[in-house]
Amino acid sequence: DGGITQSPKYLFRKEGQNVTLSCEQNLNHDAMYWYRQDPGQGLRLIYYSQIVNDFQKGDIAEGYSVSREKKESFPLTVTSAQKNPTAFYLCASRSPQAYTQYFGPGTRLTVL
Amino acid sequence: QKEVEQDPGPLSVPEGAIVSLNCTYSNSAFQYFMWYRQYSRKGPELLMYTYSSGNKEDGRFTAQVDKSSKYISLFIRDSQPSDSATYLCAMSAGNQFYFGTGTSLTVIP
Repeated sequence: DGGITQSPKYLFRKEGQNVTLSCEQNLNHDAMYWYRQDPGQGLRLIYYSQIVNDFQKGDIAEGYSVSREKKESFPLTVTSAQKNPTAFYLCASRSPQAYTQYFGPGTRLTVL
Repeated sequence: QKEVEQDPGPLSVPEGAIVSLNCTYSNSAFQYFMWYRQYSRKGPELLMYTYSSGNKEDGRFTAQVDKSSKYISLFIRDSQPSDSATYLCAMSAGNQFYFGTGTSLTVIP
């Protein structure tokens, strides 16, 4: 089955810790994205990558970092500099045939 | 002004009703228009997409795009309790995507 996987499903972080969220896709898509979803605010773009070893900041990149060493993988690190990290995080990839996105199941991060 | 505006609802309808969900947008460069369904605590699922203007039908779902009015709609016929979810509209012009905040729909048996 082709698709996007995210792990873990739930993640708990203590104050001052960095945590890394995993995103893997087997759709052979070049472009991948990270969004944050908060109630009533819709999806906000954190980072996106159009190709391996290249990525761009989105609207709310402060306190986050990414890497893109492989086409299939786009991990997101939530650093201690992110002041309000509790949210639902969604990874997506873009189909090259049509400008549409496909999403993973999400990771819910909670700061204790 | 937001790029995409969507009424958050909530919308509550009886089973079998026709549901109309709508979004407006401001950027005339948008070419692809998408509708996603999102169940609670799940990732959004792509329902339909349309390129440029026109209608597209898939089973009980119909997507309409009116670029002259900068207005898109999703119609759900014969709505079912399993349609209860949040519906997100999205649009793209190139590599970036712009989302509405979602409309919460409940279909009552």
